[in-house]
Amino acid sequence: DGGITQSPKYLFRKEGQNVTLSCEQNLNHDAMYWYRQDPGQGLRLIYYSQIVNDFQKGDIAEGYSVSREKKESFPLTVTSAQKNPTAFYLCASSISRTSGSNEQFFGPGTRLTVL
Amino acid sequence: GNSVTQMEGPVTLSEEAFLTINCTYTATGYPSLFWYVQYPGEGLQLLLKATKADDKGSNKGFEATYRKETTSFHLEKGSVQVSDSAVYFCALLLSGGYNKLIFGAGTRLAVHP
Repeated sequence: DGGITQSPKYLFRKEGQNVTLSCEQNLNHDAMYWYRQDPGQGLRLIYYSQIVNDFQKGDIAEGYSVSREKKESFPLTVTSAQKNPTAFYLCASSISRTSGSNEQFFGPGTRLTVL
Repeated sequence: GNSVTQMEGPVTLSEEAFLTINCTYTATGYPSLFWYVQYPGEGLQLLLKATKADDKGSNKGFEATYRKETTSFHLEKGSVQVSDSAVYFCALLLSGGYNKLIFGAGTRLAVHP
């Protein structure tokens, strides 16, 4: 069964702690993305990666970090520098093509709550 | 700039009613357009898409037509069911460069028996 998995589903963190959210895909997609969703709002792009060992900041990268050591994996670290980390985090992937509609496929999400 | 505007929710309907959720966009170039659906506590699922003007995307009874002249991509369904209750997101994908999806704020749909 091909798809995107995110773990854990729920995550609680104390203020001042770093925490890492997992994202794995077995779709053989080149590109992967991290989004943040806040209540009543659309998704905002945190980081994206078009290829292994390369990633770029999105619109709201401050306080977050990522790595892309393997094609299948794109973990997101929420650092203590992120002022308001409580949110729903969604990982996505897509085939990286130079033309055509590169629709993104989403994982089930991780809900992070800072206590 | 590039943006997507959706009608504000919540939209509340009775089962078997007709659904329209409006979506308009502003974009440079020729974007692809998408509707995603999010059920409570879950990630987003692609509902339908259209890649060029006058294309109609359809899936599970939902339809949307890419209207370049009105920069719109309204979502419609002839007869909604309780199971359609979810949040619906309109999004555009800019052509060229990396695959940046720009989302609307989402519209919550509640269908009552």
